[in-house]
This record gives sequence, C-alpha cells and structure tokens, in this order.
Amino acid sequence: SAVISQKPSRDICQRGTSLTIQCQVDSQVTMMFWYRQQPGQSLTLIATANQGSEATYESGFVIDKFPISRPNLTFSTLTVSNMSPEDSSIYLCSVSQGASTDTQYFGPGTRLTVL
Amino acid sequence: QKEVEQNSGPLSVPEGAIASLNCTYSDRGSQSFFWYRQYSGKSPELIMFIYSNGDKEDGRFTAQLNKASQYVSLLIRDSQPSDSATYLCAVNMDTGRRALTFGSGTRLQVQP
Repeated sequence: SAVISQKPSRDICQRGTSLTIQCQVDSQVTMMFWYRQQPGQSLTLIATANQGSEATYESGFVIDKFPISRPNLTFSTLTVSNMSPEDSSIYLCSVSQGASTDTQYFGPGTRLTVL
Repeated sequence: QKEVEQNSGPLSVPEGAIASLNCTYSDRGSQSFFWYRQYSGKSPELIMFIYSNGDKEDGRFTAQLNKASQYVSLLIRDSQPSDSATYLCAVNMDTGRRALTFGSGTRLQVQP
C-alpha cells in the first residue's frame, strides 16, 4: 500500500485563525479523501479531493470552511478556516489506489486543538 | 440516512479466546465492507475487506458477510493483549464515489 504522510502532525491554534494540513503520498493514487474524527467519536467524511476540479463535500461541510486543493495525483491540502474550539479534532487523509478498488488507507492524522 | 451500527463495548475477552465483533448497515445495495483497527492515538489500519457473502479468512482474522441480513462480523481467534483496540466497521454505500461510512467502533479489551 502507499506510504502517506501528513503535516503538521499536531498543532495548537487560536480561535479565528486558519490552518492548512498537507497530505503527501509516495505514489499516484486515484482517490483522496479527508475525514474528521472528533474526540471519542468515529470518522466522518468531510470531502473527496478531486484532482483538477473542486472537491465533493459531504452534507454539513462547506467549501468556505474547509477549502481543499488537489493539484496532482500525490498531494492534497485541507484548510480549516476561521477556527473555533469545536474544530478541535483529528483530521485524516486517506487514499484509494487503482480504478477498481474502494479500499482506503489512512495517513497518520493531524491532531488539531483550537483554544 | 445511511448508517452503520456497532456496539461500542467494551468487549472483554480472555487471552486465547475468540473475539466476535458485529456490524449492521442500513443500505441493502452496499457492495464493499471493511474492518479497520485503531489503537489509541493512532490512525485506522486496514485489517480486512470482504465483498461476497460468506467467510473470508486471513490468519487469525475471519470476516463474515450476510447481505440478506445486512450484517458483517469480524472474528479474532487466539486473541492477544496486542489486539486490544477499537475496531471500526466501514461500508461503501455509494459505489460511484467510493466513499466509506464508518460505524462508531467497538472497543476490544483482551485480558492477559
């Protein structure tokens, strides 16, 4: 499976600021996804990062709050904008390789704390 | 609303026993089913996937799928303390987008 890295691994941010999280894969992948895992909860899909076009957002998530870029087949960013303490979560990047598989592999995650 | 349901646990089993983890899903048309293991403070790690009705074995792990009952399970044989983690069931309920819906996870504790 692909090797996935995320930067930063953790951060503490002030209310009202923005943070951009990077996801880098060591090989080209067809699909990239961004999830959020709030404390003590399971994973919730934020959006699918589409290469060369706008991301596809899930219900309850909007582009103004979580802008996503995917300039190529190995890299994506998620920005958490105008943060509030409710945004404190682990943000996870996942990838799916190949045109015929929906198996996803996860990066190590970014632990975000908003004060 | 499309949902994946799991018992949150904790499920406690003695070392060497069989641990049985269960998951139900709401969308009858779902085609792909996954089990992930998540240690505290770590990201989810894929254990197994299953697409067809029946059993699929991989080492000490067996995934079981019954699409008629909308039920998928994971059996862990010869449980070890290192198996203590949260186990997440995930289902692809939208094959066009390949997005996964996760259950809330079952916390497994293997007692030495």
